Amino acid sequence: AQSVTQLGSHVSVSEGALVLLRCNYSSSVPPYLFWYVQYPNQGLQLLLKYTSAATLVKGINGFEAEFKKSETSFHLTKPSAHMSDAAEYFCAVSSFSGNTPLVFGKGTRLSVIA
Amino acid sequence: KAGVTQTPRYLIKTRGQQVTLSCSPISGHRSVSWYQQTPGQGLQFLFEYFSETQRNKGNFPGRFSGRQFSNSRSEMNVSTLELGDSALYLCASSLAVGQGSYEQYFGPGTRLTVT
Repeated sequence: AQSVTQLGSHVSVSEGALVLLRCNYSSSVPPYLFWYVQYPNQGLQLLLKYTSAATLVKGINGFEAEFKKSETSFHLTKPSAHMSDAAEYFCAVSSFSGNTPLVFGKGTRLSVIA
Repeated sequence: KAGVTQTPRYLIKTRGQQVTLSCSPISGHRSVSWYQQTPGQGLQFLFEYFSETQRNKGNFPGRFSGRQFSNSRSEMNVSTLELGDSALYLCASSLAVGQGSYEQYFGPGTRLTVT
């Protein structure tokens, strides 16, 4: 069975500060890993996806994530937070075969303070 | 290209009633997945359809059902509504089956309130 744990249901950063959202996964098979963002009253938008091609994955809006197998982690970072980054972020895992449904973490709400 | 559309966007129903939600995928996408999002349980997978066939099903009671039509449009139905069914129901479409292999594009969701 696969699972995802997102540490911190709410993270608050100052504008211009580093954003770090934590995600640890559990999977008995090689995983696909994802980060999604959800703005209020909207659906989810894919930020980035790990498919084993490279451990450092660059996504949209300046976000990136690093896959660390030894730590079973896939933390999301952005060097400098913008007010527009305020949203809810979800980490998700699927099996490498791609045939299992996405399993999502509980989400982390990011607040950006001016 | 138009995105995933879901109708209606908001819905209020009474306990015991049934409800049908609709999802129109992006043109050319043949796979549709449904999710339930609640503050307590987060995002939970309901089912996935591809070429009118259910390919995967989440751990929900039989009151939750769905179907997919030949044009890839999908509907989900919830019968005998309970207060706990109040949630945001999200639909996502992708080119083919396999939620890991193909990027999923999400609609804005249908907000269901059961009173």
